[in-house]
Amino acid sequence: ELQVVESGGGLVQPGGSLKISCGASGFTFSGYWMTWVRQAPGQGLEWVANIKADGSEKYHLDSVKGRFTISRDNAKNSLYLQMNSLRVEDTAVYYCARMRYSPSGSYHCYMDVWGRGTTVTVSS
Amino acid sequence: EVVLTQSPGTLSLSPGESATLSCRTSQSVSGSYLAWYQQKPGQAPRLLIFGASTRATGIPDRFSGSGSGTDFTLTISRLEPEDFAVYYCQHFGTSREFTFGPGTKVDIK
Repeated sequence: ELQVVESGGGLVQPGGSLKISCGASGFTFSGYWMTWVRQAPGQGLEWVANIKADGSEKYHLDSVKGRFTISRDNAKNSLYLQMNSLRVEDTAVYYCARMRYSPSGSYHCYMDVWGRGTTVTVSS
Repeated sequence: EVVLTQSPGTLSLSPGESATLSCRTSQSVSGSYLAWYQQKPGQAPRLLIFGASTRATGIPDRFSGSGSGTDFTLTISRLEPEDFAVYYCQHFGTSREFTFGPGTKVDIK
């Protein structure tokens, strides 16, 4: 079964750090771009970061650049998001998702496998 | 950055009726990079449509997507009780960033 499972969320004070993880199973993790998407309480979806299959390219939302870093360990089938200098406005459910990205031929890009999310709360 | 606008914000309908959801982009985009998702309370989003009009695996044929340029539409014919949810459109941009629309909530009238 295709599956991604997030973990590592919790309560952290403003200015603090947290690293969340996503474990993948049921597919060849090293063959796919991966992404993090977040959803603040009662709000819509907001993309946070993408990483290429081999980890050589990374892209981050402007408001998290310099604070958050996406990474992956293909040997462990795992995706990570290191979050530093956390702000109250970073409070959200963070979802990990598999990207289906084809930049040539049959052009497409979308997220087809989602986890249930991990909750990050930034509060004093 | 492409900005997505969805309308209406809320659509109140009865089971069996049809729903037409709009997604407009701030500039003309390729439909290849336009997708739709469904989200129910407490659940992760679920992919419905990619490439503006291709249904994802396992999605019933009452869901259909169309559009081009700056105007895209998700149509749900014959609403089933399980279709009442929030629907988001999403675009993947040239800087390899995703943007989502604010969502349309389809609720029971």
